[in-house]
Amino acid sequence: EPEVTQTPSHQVTQMGQEVILRCVPISNHLYFYWYRQILGQKVEFLVSFYNNEISEKSEIFDDQFSVERPDGSNFTLKIRSTKLEDSAMYFCASRTDRGQNNEQFFGPGTRLTVL
Amino acid sequence: AQSVTQLGSHVSVSEGALVLLRCNYSSSVPPYLFWYVQYPNQGLQLLLKYTTGATLVKGINGFEAEFKKSETSFHLTKPSAHMSDAAEYFCAVIANQAGTALIFGKGTTLSVSS
Repeated sequence: EPEVTQTPSHQVTQMGQEVILRCVPISNHLYFYWYRQILGQKVEFLVSFYNNEISEKSEIFDDQFSVERPDGSNFTLKIRSTKLEDSAMYFCASRTDRGQNNEQFFGPGTRLTVL
Repeated sequence: AQSVTQLGSHVSVSEGALVLLRCNYSSSVPPYLFWYVQYPNQGLQLLLKYTTGATLVKGINGFEAEFKKSETSFHLTKPSAHMSDAAEYFCAVIANQAGTALIFGKGTTLSVSS
């Protein structure tokens, strides 16, 4: 069964460093998402991406963040200068373009630890 | 703005007992509602969803949920818990009518004892 994959599973970085989190969505999906979950808190929406542009973003998704689909398979989240409060589990998700309420398929997550 | 409240961060049941996980939402428009489950070291998996139509929704693994507009609730139930049901459960709502972003509750950890 097709699934969303994410790499790495765990990334440790120093404050101020840039990190890139990678996701491979399901191959025929057209909408892509990033969510994050700070330990002990809710899963929060960051951004959605469709047709090579951002379609929605939350107030969390500030200028420190960017997303890209550099080729036909990867979908990346870049954090330019990490802060301690960026430590969280980051989930990628994808879905087909049929219907607003269609299921989003989630990856297993990348745990980012900022020291 | 839409929001989701899950009552009880941790629920413990015995194997074979009824599972009830509570979810209340706030929404100014008819919502799309979802329950996701997360097993250790895995991604979130859709259990069931309510969009329109029948208010009792059946999902995978014997779970079901009932949309009650008057109570703004979407509680998740399973008649008989199994050890394999131990996981974290998230209720979610579509953020707004024009978008597709999910707004999640804080999650409820379900423990099942033998």
